[in-house]
Parts: sequence; structure tokens; C-alpha cells
Amino acid sequence: DTGVSQNPRHKITKRGQNVTFRCDPISEHNRLYWYRQTLGQGPEFLTYFQNEAQLEKSRLLSDRFSAERPKGSFSTLEIQRTEQGDSAMYLCASSHQGIEAFFGQGTRLTVV
Amino acid sequence: LAKTTQPISMDSYEGQEVNITCSHNNIATNDYITWYQQFPSQGPRFIIQGYKTKVTNEVASLFIPADRKSSTLSLPRVSLSDTAVYYCLVGVQNFVFGPGTRLSVLP
Repeated sequence: DTGVSQNPRHKITKRGQNVTFRCDPISEHNRLYWYRQTLGQGPEFLTYFQNEAQLEKSRLLSDRFSAERPKGSFSTLEIQRTEQGDSAMYLCASSHQGIEAFFGQGTRLTVV
Repeated sequence: LAKTTQPISMDSYEGQEVNITCSHNNIATNDYITWYQQFPSQGPRFIIQGYKTKVTNEVASLFIPADRKSSTLSLPRVSLSDTAVYYCLVGVQNFVFGPGTRLSVLP
């Protein structure tokens, strides 16, 4: 394992469909973060986990967004009833005790 | 969370030293200062982190004055490949990004 892995890299979906993204962090990292990034903007923090506990979720954009990390390893981010405004790059990062975060390549979502 | 302010953009020429300053007037006692670099279509990459005075690694230096209300990322002898967006983060968790500074290195 050489880094954070995100799948899929690209996703095109029709408006109203549900999508799920997966993030596999670096194996010994206990913290995992999700971000959304749109063109020309910095990454927008969504939520983070310490092990399997979701410690911050107030910044999830709406109740259509949810994230899980069931066994403290990989995580999934789900967007229900997608809207065109959800089109963005979704980034995952992991860290050990929050010191240096390592980011994945991201999943680019296009809602048509 | 401490709010940060950085220049929106900067231009430089190859071989020059570049200094990017970040203001964080309401930094808290326990907050660290962290800088990330991001290239187009890639996730951000950690550059350096510090708490006070000066930190140096193989790619950059970070200068933090005694009042810690600002910090300066110094990139020595930049090359074209240093063209990127640079983000300053402040906090204990260090997970909130601002808009960053878009650095363009010209030949």
C-alpha cells in the first residue's frame, strides 16, 4: 500500500440517482477525511473519522450526503438523489493522529 | 477555527526564492500551521508544518514570528514545476482549507 486509493476515479450519473464512492486509506492511519472541491476553489471539508467514529459531520452539505467507516478501515461517501450542483471532485485523505494528511487522487463526479 | 488570509496569486521566475505569507490573527495556543501544495487534478500534498520560529525540510522553510499571527512559506530557487496552488491551514486538526495562493513560475 503506497497511498490513499479512491474508486472510482470518474463517475457520470443522471440527476436523481444515488452514487457511492470508496476510499481506502493508508493502512496504519487512524483518521480519514472527506472533502469536496470545485474548480478554482480550495478543498471544502465535509467530514472526518477517527477509527470508526465519525467525529465531525456538521459540514456535510445536506442530508443527502452520508459517510461511513464501518470497521475503521475503508470509508464510503454516499450522495443520494444527486443534483447538478453536486458535480465536483471528491477527495479523501488519511493521517496518523492528524499530523500530515495524505490525499488520494479523488473521484470526479459529473451529474447530467 | 482560525481564519487565514493569503494572497490570491503570485508570479515568480525560475531560480528565484518565493515567499508566501499567511495571516492568522486569531490563532489559538494549541494550533499548528500547515502548508499544502496542489497541482491541477491532484489531491493536495503536505509540504511543511510548524508551531513557532523556523522549520526547514528538503523542499521549503516555514518562518513563524513570536506572536504567531502570521507565517511565511519560503520556496528556494523555484522551478516551473513549482507552479501550483499553496494552502495555509491553521488549527489543531488542520483540515480546513482556504482558497490558497496560486503561484505561477515563469521561465
